Amino acid sequence: AQSVAQPEDQVNVAEGNPLTVKCTYSVSGNPYLFWYVQYPNRGLQFLLKYITGDNLVKGSYGFEAEFNKSQTSFHLKKPSALVSDSALYFCAVREVGSYKLIFGSGTRLLVRP
Amino acid sequence: NAGVTQTPKFRILKIGQSMTLQCTQDMNHNYMYWYRQDPGMGLKLIYYSVGAGITDKGEVPNGYNVSRSTTEDFPLRLELAAPSQTSVYFCASSWGTLDGNQPQHFGDGTRLSIL
Repeated sequence: AQSVAQPEDQVNVAEGNPLTVKCTYSVSGNPYLFWYVQYPNRGLQFLLKYITGDNLVKGSYGFEAEFNKSQTSFHLKKPSALVSDSALYFCAVREVGSYKLIFGSGTRLLVRP
Repeated sequence: NAGVTQTPKFRILKIGQSMTLQCTQDMNHNYMYWYRQDPGMGLKLIYYSVGAGITDKGEVPNGYNVSRSTTEDFPLRLELAAPSQTSVYFCASSWGTLDGNQPQHFGDGTRLSIL
């Protein structure tokens, strides 16, 4: 069965520092991987996706994610965090041939000034 | 461009009441989804639809029903509301393509409390 794990409930980082939000997955076959962000009282917004090709994927708002097949990971990164990046981040996986997304439990990112 | 619109934004129900959560999208997406989000949990898929007239169960369908009579609308029906259905409900839509790599677009949610 496919699954997604986000091992950290919360990540704290100072503004201007790099940030990493971790995600590992388990699927059979090649995965489609996604990151979404959720601001308070809003729905999820798409950040980026990995389908195939380069392991480093660039997305919205300066975020990027690194796909590592051997470690089955898809960590979200940003070189310099902003206070406005504070939000809830979800990793999701879609198995090839399925239109359903499996979401991780979410990681709250808190960027302090 | 409205995207995915959900109504109402908030609702309080009594145990045993029923209601319909409305969802409409203006992007002509063929796929639509209903999720629930509980505190500290990810999103769980309730039902989804691959086109008008076609619906299927997700991970947690019990206590819910859906219909898809048009491309735009995908209402979620709660019959005999129970406290366990207190949650935030999100509707989403996407293009359904053979490669399945299109992102989903989400509404802002309906916050439902069952008392």
